[in-house]
Amino acid sequence: GAGVSQSPRYKVAKRGQDVALRCDPISGHVSLFWYQQALGQGPEFLTYFQNEAQLDKSGLPSDRFFAERPEGSVSTLKIQRTQQEDSAVYLCASSQGQGAWGYTFGSGTRLTVV
Amino acid sequence: AQSVTQLDSQVPVFEEAPVELRCNYSSSVSVYLFWYVQYPNQGLQLLLKYLSGSTLVKGINGFEAEFNKSQTSFHLRKPSVHISDTAEYFCAVILMEYGNKLVFGAGTILRVKS
Repeated sequence: GAGVSQSPRYKVAKRGQDVALRCDPISGHVSLFWYQQALGQGPEFLTYFQNEAQLDKSGLPSDRFFAERPEGSVSTLKIQRTQQEDSAVYLCASSQGQGAWGYTFGSGTRLTVV
Repeated sequence: AQSVTQLDSQVPVFEEAPVELRCNYSSSVSVYLFWYVQYPNQGLQLLLKYLSGSTLVKGINGFEAEFNKSQTSFHLRKPSVHISDTAEYFCAVILMEYGNKLVFGAGTILRVKS
């Protein structure tokens, strides 16, 4: 597609529920990144894929967070047993090559845990 | 550890006045530097980037930034702002030795008043 598409745009989850956030990168983009942006803060790195390989997951805050990109295109970020501190905007970005200077960001998914 | 400091959380300015948004980073090695803009409920849009070469970088919408290695700064400037420049601005860096992930500052909200 023309841009990075994320769905849903908004998600309200009850504490303890599992959620799945989807990212459709630009077609052909090799690299895919997930970021978490808490209210009033800058985005923080969660994880990075090169094609289907998850090369860096150092930013995932706990083992409740899991990301996958099984066919090297669409990616899903899953959060199990959501907590209130998980409330944030989750941003996805893709890049044609391995360098981050060609990032294109999606509009994000705003997750609110109540 | 790498970090990015944006010294001002909010900058109010009148329309057609000049503006400077400050960014400092902590690193003694080579860096790649970026400025992103985020409009309400939207993703991040790249304004400009410094990878190498000339330390004065020109970006979109009339913005420019200067890389100062000795002061480890990358301040963003615009000689005359418009109401439409009201948004949040993020400085970000990449240290290639830590992979190609962007590390963001906390952001500066630019409020342009008429």
